[in-house]
Amino acid sequence: KAGVTQTPRYLIKTRGQQVTLSCSPISGHRSVSWYQQTPGQGLQFLFEYFSETQRNKGNFPGRFSGRQFSNSRSEMNVSTLELGDSALYLCASSLERGPDTQYFGPGTRLTVL
Amino acid sequence: AQSVTQLGSHVSVSEGALVLLRCNYSSSVPPYLFWYVQYPNQGLQLLLKYTSAATLVKGINGFEAEFKKSETSFHLTKPSAHMSDAAEYFCAVSDMNRDDKIIFGKGTRLHILP
Repeated sequence: KAGVTQTPRYLIKTRGQQVTLSCSPISGHRSVSWYQQTPGQGLQFLFEYFSETQRNKGNFPGRFSGRQFSNSRSEMNVSTLELGDSALYLCASSLERGPDTQYFGPGTRLTVL
Repeated sequence: AQSVTQLGSHVSVSEGALVLLRCNYSSSVPPYLFWYVQYPNQGLQLLLKYTSAATLVKGINGFEAEFKKSETSFHLTKPSAHMSDAAEYFCAVSDMNRDDKIIFGKGTRLHILP
């Protein structure tokens, strides 16, 4: 079974631009969660999607948004990029919601200049 | 609210020595607890998880962890360190409510000395 895939793997953007990251979960998994990982803050939860609905949200500004499609693929969007948005963005999928085992993708490394 | 504290952002052990990575949690309800490992330029991989069954949990790559409710701890151990164990390790907590998210600790980077 193919693992969680994330595209692109690397991105370089400038301040003020917007970016869209994509995540394809493991086949059959219905829950997709997104995390931001930085050296200073560690792993911070962004949001969780299940059945095309956002079920949970972390403490991030409205510039961070996401969606999930009927095939469970998910995208996250960051508008008006700031230098502090530079991070590794990780996507994780699981069969169901809640404390089920999450399987992580390799991440998208975003650099904002 | 739940939280996780990992003691020591960096831990160094000699190859063949005992590995002990500390994790303390805070949860108002019985928790689910996880240990994940992250190798450079990769995502996180589940090592083991506690879901209220046996308190001693065995995981992959020879790692195990013991849930101690009285100490609110879930420390990760491995009897004999290998060079390939060098990575960053994350402890995480969630409760059994499907509406709750998983909270990760800040991670411990394990260095293996030859």
